[in-house]
Amino acid sequence: AQTVTQSQPEMSVQEAETVTLSCTYDTSENNYYLFWYKQPPSRQMILVIRQEAYKQQNATENRFSVNFQKAAKSFSLKISDSQLGDTAMYFCAFLIQGAQKLVFGQGTRLTINP
Amino acid sequence: KAGVTQTPRYLIKTRGQQVTLSCSPISGHRSVSWYQQTPGQGLQFLFEYFSETQRNKGNFPGRFSGRQFSNSRSEMNVSTLELGDSALYLCASSLASVREDTQYFGPGTRLTVL
Repeated sequence: AQTVTQSQPEMSVQEAETVTLSCTYDTSENNYYLFWYKQPPSRQMILVIRQEAYKQQNATENRFSVNFQKAAKSFSLKISDSQLGDTAMYFCAFLIQGAQKLVFGQGTRLTINP
Repeated sequence: KAGVTQTPRYLIKTRGQQVTLSCSPISGHRSVSWYQQTPGQGLQFLFEYFSETQRNKGNFPGRFSGRQFSNSRSEMNVSTLELGDSALYLCASSLASVREDTQYFGPGTRLTVL
């Protein structure tokens, strides 16, 4: 069975700072995807970034980037120049290719302070 | 392109009743997945439908069921409601193709069971 672990229940940083959220996962599969979703107070789950396991290059999306360490089964999210609108719950998620069943971590509550 | 829509957004029911939730996927998406989100258990996978067929099922009792129509819209039904069924129910749609498995979420239906 696949598991996803987010070891930081809560984090808080000042606006414009850089913050890194941690995620580790466990699987014996070779073909899978990893995602970061954010869930603001509105509860809408929004895709932040995705990474295909077969790609060695780390995904980036504007201020968001990941550090994907396949051997270590680690998938951290870095938010640069953090903004107030980044305040949300962040979920790391794992998907086996073709299975359409996301496995989520417990989430990290991120607060950006002015 | 319109996003995933869910109706209703809020529901209040009493124990023993049944409820039906609806999800309309992004145009062209044939896969619809359902998740339950609670403070205690986090995000848990319920089931996934593709081309009107249930392909994957999570570890939920038979009171939870679903279906998908020919236009890819999906419904989820919970019978004999229990207090513990109070949760945010999220649906997500995906192209579910070989290289595109990303799931996009709707705004959710918040179910309260009294």
